[in-house]
Amino acid sequence: DIVMSQSPLSLPVTPGEPASISCRSSQSLLHNNGFNYLAWYLQKPGQSPQLLIYLGSTRASGVPARFSGSGSGTDFTLKISRVEAGDVGVYYCMQALLIPRTFGQGTKVEI
Amino acid sequence: QVQLQESGPGLVKPSQTLSLSCSVSGASVNSGYYYWTWIRQPAGKGLEWLGRIYTNGATYYNPSLKSRVTISVDASKNQVSLRLGSVTAADSAVYYCARERVVGPTNFGFDSWGQGSLVTVSS
Repeated sequence: DIVMSQSPLSLPVTPGEPASISCRSSQSLLHNNGFNYLAWYLQKPGQSPQLLIYLGSTRASGVPARFSGSGSGTDFTLKISRVEAGDVGVYYCMQALLIPRTFGQGTKVEI
Repeated sequence: QVQLQESGPGLVKPSQTLSLSCSVSGASVNSGYYYWTWIRQPAGKGLEWLGRIYTNGATYYNPSLKSRVTISVDASKNQVSLRLGSVTAADSAVYYCARERVVGPTNFGFDSWGQGSLVTVSS
């Protein structure tokens, strides 16, 4: 299985300030079609996870532009340009290259 | 707007079989480009992918569950089902059904999730 590792596991943030989460995979997620098969999800308190980013850097429908994904191969980053109060929750990266799909441990973002 | 709704017993005895259903509205389980998936989350922990089924009936399961898991589709009810046998306390979790969109080799992620169904394994 591909092992996904996130850092930090806990991230205190300040509204209006930027925030960044790192994700590393145990093997390259770069498909031969040129896309990185890495997704980001946010699980707000008491809710189901929701898709933020897929293919490494493509925002899902309705996701604000302050969220951006970058990286390639085995190293990826999720950035929030200006944190809002509603962005709190646990962020997960997930590899979509191989079965079984595997998730990072999660990064808890709190104000 | 697609909606997924999990349902099933909230309490299962050890060694028995956990059975959950996921009712889908706003989309057909027979439509192409989607894998219907089960994911679970033990209390206070992360997400574990259990397995998926495609419209043609093809299934893939997490090897960690060995042969305990079965996922099926009932097109007449537009439902996806999960069965997990020989459960133990370690199988206690919130179980989510989710839809993964895949077009050819391109993966668009889990774009829809149910609200989750809490299952506790206890005698």
